[in-house]
Formats: sequence, C-alpha cells, structure tokens
Amino acid sequence: AQKVTQAQTEISVVEKEDVTLDCVYETRDTTYYLFWYKQPPSGELVFLIRRNSFDEQNEISGRYSWNFQKSTSSFNFTITASQVVDSAVYFCALSENVDSSYKLIFGSGTRLLVRP
Amino acid sequence: DAEITQSPRHKITETGRQVTLACHQTWNHNNMFWYRQDLGHGLRLIHYSYGVQDTNKGEVSDGYSVSRSNTEDLPLTLESAASSQTSVYFCASSEGSGQDEQYFGPGTRLTVT
Repeated sequence: AQKVTQAQTEISVVEKEDVTLDCVYETRDTTYYLFWYKQPPSGELVFLIRRNSFDEQNEISGRYSWNFQKSTSSFNFTITASQVVDSAVYFCALSENVDSSYKLIFGSGTRLLVRP
Repeated sequence: DAEITQSPRHKITETGRQVTLACHQTWNHNNMFWYRQDLGHGLRLIHYSYGVQDTNKGEVSDGYSVSRSNTEDLPLTLESAASSQTSVYFCASSEGSGQDEQYFGPGTRLTVT
C-alpha cells in the first residue's frame, strides 16, 4: 500500500479558478511530518510547507492554503485564483520514523496545468 | 548564498560503465540524500548520509553506492550502469534528519543506452 497517495494524476484549470490538490497519507507513528514541494517545468524542487503531526492548524500563505486533518489522514493543498505560473507538478511527502531515523516518502505527484 | 549543485546536468552513458554523479552543498548541512525520479513513482530514496563517513541505504539502493569524505560532497556512483537506471537524479540536503525540509539540487538527467 502506498504511504502517500495523490490520486489526482493531472488537473487542468482555467486561470483564476480555485484548485485543490489532494494528499492522503498512511502512518502508524504519532509523530510525523508532512510536506508539499513544487516542481515547475524547469525541473527543480521547491519547498512549500512543512507541518508536524501535532499542529492541525490550517496554514495560509498568500494564494496558497493547506488543510491538515488527522481524522482523515489528509493534507490537502488549495491554490486560490490560480495563475499560469502555478503550472507545475506538486508533490506531497511524509516523513516518519523508520529504523530510528526519519525518511521522506513522496507521493507520485499531481501535475497542475493552469490555462490562460 | 548557500546552494546545492549537481554535475553533470545531463549524462549519456553505455550499459556496464561506471558513472559518478556529483553533489556539492554549501549549506554546511550534515544530512545529504540522493533520490531518483521516475514517472509514476515520485521521488525514491537511494542513499543518505547523516555526516562524514556515514552512509545508509534507502529504498532503491541496489546498483548504487555513495561515500562521504567531507561535509560538502556526496557523490553517487553507479557501479555498472543498467538501462533501468535511466532516470533523473536529485541530491538534497537538510539541517536536521528527515523531519526537516530538504533543499534540492537542480537534478541530473542520466540516460543509459
């Protein structure tokens, strides 16, 4: 079973639409960390956010917001008023303790295309 | 500004050859990681290091090795390149171990023919 599931392989929206990228994770740990990374067409990976399992407060950063719900093991990412520059592959990742060290496990990514 | 660099950015090699991919970071991070990115799999951990002389196997370590002789560098070696190792390789570093955000290099696209 996948530890991090991003069920949406590809999403296409028109500019200014809101879009939510889903992320569902699986872990038995009580202490873990969740991340979102952005990979624009240029290929580099850009860190967006990190949450620990004890902090369920939603986070907002400009047009980006994140909804962390432990009850449903989800950490969803919403872009409000999307722009063409938001077109990228977005990865959700889980860091949990494996063999006494934390390792990052990535989902397979969601490709977002924002059309003008 | 601190950064993490990878070289070469593109490499074509033949099956059976030994290949080394370089990774250099100026963050002064103790922790460094190598991942490979393939369609449908996201990024998968190959090897990682928590400090000089420390190396550990990740999820997909077969056919790869690393060495850590200083803080700044973690070269990745493919002992005998195989077509299944055609991929994009990313190096990353972090201040803490896996619970901290990782900073990624620009990636190396490797093609094994």
